[in-house]
Amino acid sequence: KAGVTQTPRYLIKTRGQQVTLSCSPISGHRSVSWYQQTPGQGLQFLFEYFSETQRNKGNFPGRFSGRQFSNSRSEMNVSTLELGDSALYLCASSLGQSPYEQYFGPGTRLTVT
Amino acid sequence: GQNIDQPTEMTATEGAIVQINCTYQTSGFNGLFWYQQHAGEAPTFLSYNVLDGLEEKGRFSSFLSRSKGYSYLLLKELQMKDSASYLCAVERNAGNMLTFGGGTRLMVKP
Repeated sequence: KAGVTQTPRYLIKTRGQQVTLSCSPISGHRSVSWYQQTPGQGLQFLFEYFSETQRNKGNFPGRFSGRQFSNSRSEMNVSTLELGDSALYLCASSLGQSPYEQYFGPGTRLTVT
Repeated sequence: GQNIDQPTEMTATEGAIVQINCTYQTSGFNGLFWYQQHAGEAPTFLSYNVLDGLEEKGRFSSFLSRSKGYSYLLLKELQMKDSASYLCAVERNAGNMLTFGGGTRLMVKP
């Protein structure tokens, strides 16, 4: 079974720009969660989508948004990028029911200059 | 609010046993996960505890005490490849939203 894939793997953007990251979950998984990982803050939950609906949301500003398509693929968008948005963005897929064992993708390393 | 605490760093010797502790304070606790993350890689699932007690899986075991808000990950017969960060994460009954601790960086020395 193919694992979680994320594209692109690396990205360099300039302050003020916007970026879209993509995540394809494991086949059969209906839930996709997004996390931001930084050395200072660790792994922080952004949001979770299940069957095309945002089911949970973390404490991030509205510049961070996402969506999920009917095939469970998900995209995350960050608008008006700030230097502090530089991080590893991880998506994780799961079946969407407890236990919420999540399988992580390799991540997208975003650098904002 | 939620609070999940783990030691920042630990060092152990190859072949030894190490215990990584995790304490948490949260409402609506449902279960606790342990993940392993090697540098530059994504976290990978190690264990899940929902009931009190010890879950053993090969060289790795995980323990949970719900009443004490406490869990530990036990690694036996340490190998150099076990050098990684170990993350505990709390699952709340609000749904699929894991809250991670800061992670414990384990260094295994020869």
